[in-house]
Amino acid sequence: DAGITQSPRHKVTETGTPVTLRCHQTENHRYMYWYRQDPGHGLRLIHYSYGVKDTDKGEVSDGYSVSRSKTEDFLLTLESATSSQTSVYFCAISGTGAGEQYFGPGTRLTVT
Amino acid sequence: AQTVTQSQPEMSVQEAETVTLSCTYDTSESDYYLFWYKQPPSRQMILVIRQEAYKQQNATENRFSVNFQKAAKSFSLKISDSQLGDAAMYFCAYRGRGAGNMLTFGGGTRLMVKP
Repeated sequence: DAGITQSPRHKVTETGTPVTLRCHQTENHRYMYWYRQDPGHGLRLIHYSYGVKDTDKGEVSDGYSVSRSKTEDFLLTLESATSSQTSVYFCAISGTGAGEQYFGPGTRLTVT
Repeated sequence: AQTVTQSQPEMSVQEAETVTLSCTYDTSESDYYLFWYKQPPSRQMILVIRQEAYKQQNATENRFSVNFQKAAKSFSLKISDSQLGDAAMYFCAYRGRGAGNMLTFGGGTRLMVKP
């Protein structure tokens, strides 16, 4: 299994508070991704990174920001959490080549 | 933008039987990859099988095989000799050759396996 961890695994927070989710990899892969999973929508891309300090927006980026200061860490920040951001968040990594992505275990975030 | 459609929200199969999950996609690209991922109740996303669009031969992985129809933009997953452990959500995903190796996912099919 690819070495990907996410922290925290579960979080409950209140509307309006900032939240940061962390993804850590030990595979030295170039690409890292944040997705959210909601019923009926599958997984949707929030942001991705193609190298240290290189990031770009995905399909559902509003309300989220990311940072990548080291190859192994990719942070997802909700500046002011809203109830619509209640979801399961997955981090994924990919090297070059065939391009399949390997996923972390997910973080369940509940915004009350 | 690419879209991926899984038209079967739920499927059911008897243990030891064969089941086929459907997936269609829309793209203007000629070179791309297609994937099937499995998500059991543990929530972990597990890569099941991968297909390169330039390869005419359908990919197989043990009991899992695909039927890739490029002209029809269809990519179905066949599970043979279904086992109780195959019960899960299955997601079809597309990856083009563009920047970022981004995946576009279908909405998923929940597969139930009856003993």
